[in-house]
Amino acid sequence: ETAVFQTPNYHVTQVGNEVSFNCKQTLGHDTMYWYKQDSKKLLKIMFSYNNKQLIVNETVPRRFSPQSSDKAHLNLRIKSVEPEDSAVYLCASSSSGGAHEQYFGPGTRLTVL
Amino acid sequence: GDSVTQTEGLVTLTEGLPVMLNCTYQTIYSNPFLFWYVQHLNESPRLLLKSFTDNKRTEHQGFHATLHKSSSSFHLQKSSAQLSDSALYYCAYMGYKLTFGTGTSLLVDP
Repeated sequence: ETAVFQTPNYHVTQVGNEVSFNCKQTLGHDTMYWYKQDSKKLLKIMFSYNNKQLIVNETVPRRFSPQSSDKAHLNLRIKSVEPEDSAVYLCASSSSGGAHEQYFGPGTRLTVL
Repeated sequence: GDSVTQTEGLVTLTEGLPVMLNCTYQTIYSNPFLFWYVQHLNESPRLLLKSFTDNKRTEHQGFHATLHKSSSSFHLQKSSAQLSDSALYYCAYMGYKLTFGTGTSLLVDP
């Protein structure tokens, strides 16, 4: 099956803990993204990663860091979670060059208590 | 910077009536790429339409939109709403990154 896969589906944790989310795509794309969708359904890009080049959104707090082992995998680590980090984190992928469709994974819902 | 403005909040329609969701954008780029993504309940966003050709209508699954650079608009339309069209619709603009609007919730009643 070709798609974007994310784990875990849900994660509940306490303030100050570290969490990691995984994303893998089997679509053969070379660009991957992390988005945050908050409780108001606002969808904001956090990072995009094209092969070995990381493009960071400067509004993202430093406790967030993406990690990529190859072009099919892009993980997200949050060092010390805050209550405002509660959201759905969506991973997406696309081909590079031009305005290609982005394919989204099912998302990871993070709840910070 | 780049921005996208959509019809805000919730749009409620009766089945069979026409759908129009507004989208306008601001950019310094002369060749913008515009998209409509749809997100059904408990699903992820997926592409509905895209365009980068001025004044050319693009259609998919009964929806259509035309990019008008003169008015910086890319409104989403459908002639007859169906119950299954109830979803969250995002207009998005591609500059150096994909920028989403705030989303418009469409609720179609029987």
